[in-house]
Amino acid sequence: AQTVTQSQPEMSVQEAETVTLSCTYDTSESNYYLFWYKQPPSRQMILVIRQEAYKQQNATENRFSVNFQKAAKSFSLKISDSQLGDTAMYFCAFMWAFKAAGNKLTFGGGTRVLVKP
Amino acid sequence: DVKVTQSSRYLVKRTGEKVFLECVQDMDHENMFWYRQDPGLGLRLIYFSYDVKMKEKGDIPEGYSVSREKKERFSLILESASTNQTSMYLCASSFVRGETQYFGPGTRLLVL
Repeated sequence: AQTVTQSQPEMSVQEAETVTLSCTYDTSESNYYLFWYKQPPSRQMILVIRQEAYKQQNATENRFSVNFQKAAKSFSLKISDSQLGDTAMYFCAFMWAFKAAGNKLTFGGGTRVLVKP
Repeated sequence: DVKVTQSSRYLVKRTGEKVFLECVQDMDHENMFWYRQDPGLGLRLIYFSYDVKMKEKGDIPEGYSVSREKKERFSLILESASTNQTSMYLCASSFVRGETQYFGPGTRLLVL
């Protein structure tokens, strides 16, 4: 079974600064997807960024970028130029790319990010 | 835009009651999922469905059942609610060949 670990329960960052959230995972599979989801206070969970394990290039999405280290099984999220609207719970998630597995996500415990003005 | 809605945002029930949580998606997604979210544990999969009337157990199915009679609707049933089922429940949906899951707003259930 896959496991996902987020070692930082809470982080705070000043507006306009950069923060990095860590995520490690454990799997024996070689073909999978990794995700960062964002859950703002009292709002719906949305996808921030997605990485395919077979791609060596790190995914980026505007101010959000990842550092994917496949050998180390590490998938960190960097938020640059932090904005107040980035305040949220962030979840790292793993999905096995074998379709018969049903596209199930395995989540980490989450990191609460507070952006301070 | 994909829309996933859940029948209630907040629900208070008594121990032993039968509880129904409903989820509806409007994007013709084949896959639908029910998770529960607890502090420090992230989201854990209860059940999922990849087609009408089809269902599979997730990681924590005990005490829950599901129903999917129509493609757009996926119901989670607590046959006899217990206090340890107090939690946030999130529904999600995705295309069968898609990796991205779209989430509903969640139902915060309190069992007294």
